[in-house]
Amino acid sequence: GAVVSQHPSRVICKSGTSVKIECRSLDFQATTMFWYRQFPKKSLMLMATSNEGSKATYEQGVEKDKFLINHASLTLSTLTVTSAHPEDSSFYICSARDFRTDNYEQYFGPGTRLTVT
Amino acid sequence: KNQVEQSPQSLIILEGKNCTLQCNYTVSPFSNLRWYKQDTGRGPVSLTIMTFSENTKSNGRYTATLDADTKQSSLHITASQLSDSASYICVVSAKSSASKIIFGSGTRLSIRP
Repeated sequence: GAVVSQHPSRVICKSGTSVKIECRSLDFQATTMFWYRQFPKKSLMLMATSNEGSKATYEQGVEKDKFLINHASLTLSTLTVTSAHPEDSSFYICSARDFRTDNYEQYFGPGTRLTVT
Repeated sequence: KNQVEQSPQSLIILEGKNCTLQCNYTVSPFSNLRWYKQDTGRGPVSLTIMTFSENTKSNGRYTATLDADTKQSSLHITASQLSDSASYICVVSAKSSASKIIFGSGTRLSIRP
């Protein structure tokens, strides 16, 4: 099956710094990538949808200036958490989909654990 | 309002036993329903995908059913193993230009030896 990778898997940063998380589709082209965050024992919450070559669409309540998303190619999307605060500590998961195949499948990355101290 | 509700919220069973997880949805127009398994600290992994015309699909010891009329789905796990301990998430997609995807809150399954 298709593989989606995320880097880094874990990151610890100091409050006020910025952190970039990469999401890559390894063996397929992802026309659309999704970014989620997940709190302990809770389900995934969609943060934004990014389409290659265009601006991301953010869900209500998600600050686009704080969570910068770039989908520069069909295999790479990045999420940058700017001026991170402890409340941004969470598990961030990306997923990728190739709408051209129309098989409805959405492939998830392994997640990135962000801890802001 | 598009919603996906899962039950039970959590479940503990003994190794080797069977169990069934439920998913009710109000998503419309319906496109497809997927079941995912998520191990702690990992990303979700797809188990099954079902469209409107499919009412059952198996993946090894996992069997999913779909009743599009009552808008219900179930995931049946046969002969549970310790490695089945995970969260199981029901995800329903709406057929629209925005391709809205709605996540259930998941069922946390624990298998005891």
